[in-house]
Amino acid sequence: EVQLVESGGGLVQPGTSLRLSCTASGFTFGDYSMYWVRQAPGKGLECVSGISWNSGSIVYADSVKGRFTISRDNAKNSLYLQMNSLRPGDTALYYCAKVHVRGLGTFDIWGQGTMVTVSS
Amino acid sequence: EIVLTQSPGTLSLSPGERATLSCRASQSVSNSYLAWFQQKPGQAPRLLIYGASSRATGIPDRFSGSGSGTDFTLTISRLEPEDFAVYYCHQYGTSPRTFGQGTKVEIK
Repeated sequence: EVQLVESGGGLVQPGTSLRLSCTASGFTFGDYSMYWVRQAPGKGLECVSGISWNSGSIVYADSVKGRFTISRDNAKNSLYLQMNSLRPGDTALYYCAKVHVRGLGTFDIWGQGTMVTVSS
Repeated sequence: EIVLTQSPGTLSLSPGERATLSCRASQSVSNSYLAWFQQKPGQAPRLLIYGASSRATGIPDRFSGSGSGTDFTLTISRLEPEDFAVYYCHQYGTSPRTFGQGTKVEIK
């Protein structure tokens, strides 16, 4: 079964850090680009960051540039998001998502999400 | 960035009726790299349509997508009870990737 499982979310204070992880199974993880997409409570979807299959291309939303770092370990079938200098506006459910083709594509597989709450 | 505007915000229909959802882009979507997702409460989004008109694996043929350039449409030919949800369009041809704000299809 193709599956993505996120972990690492929690309640943190503004200005602190958190590292999210996403473990993939059921497909050749190293063949596909991966993304983090977030959804604030009751709101829409926002692409936070993406990384190509070989980590050669990385993109960030302007809202997180300089604070978040995406990475992957293909040997461990894992995707990561290091989040520093967290702000209340970063409060959201964070999904990891697989790109549907080996190249430019949309998201065909999503995890169940991990909740990040930034509050004092 | 490409801004996607979905209309209407809410669509109130009865099972069996036809639903037509619109997604308008602020500039042309490269190569019709436009997708549609369905999201139900407490669930992750589910891919319905990619490339503006190609159905994803396992998606019933009552879902269809059309359009090009800046105007795209998702049509649900006959609403089933499980189709009442929020629908998002998404462009992935130009960085940054962006989503529309969503259209809620609710039971009338």
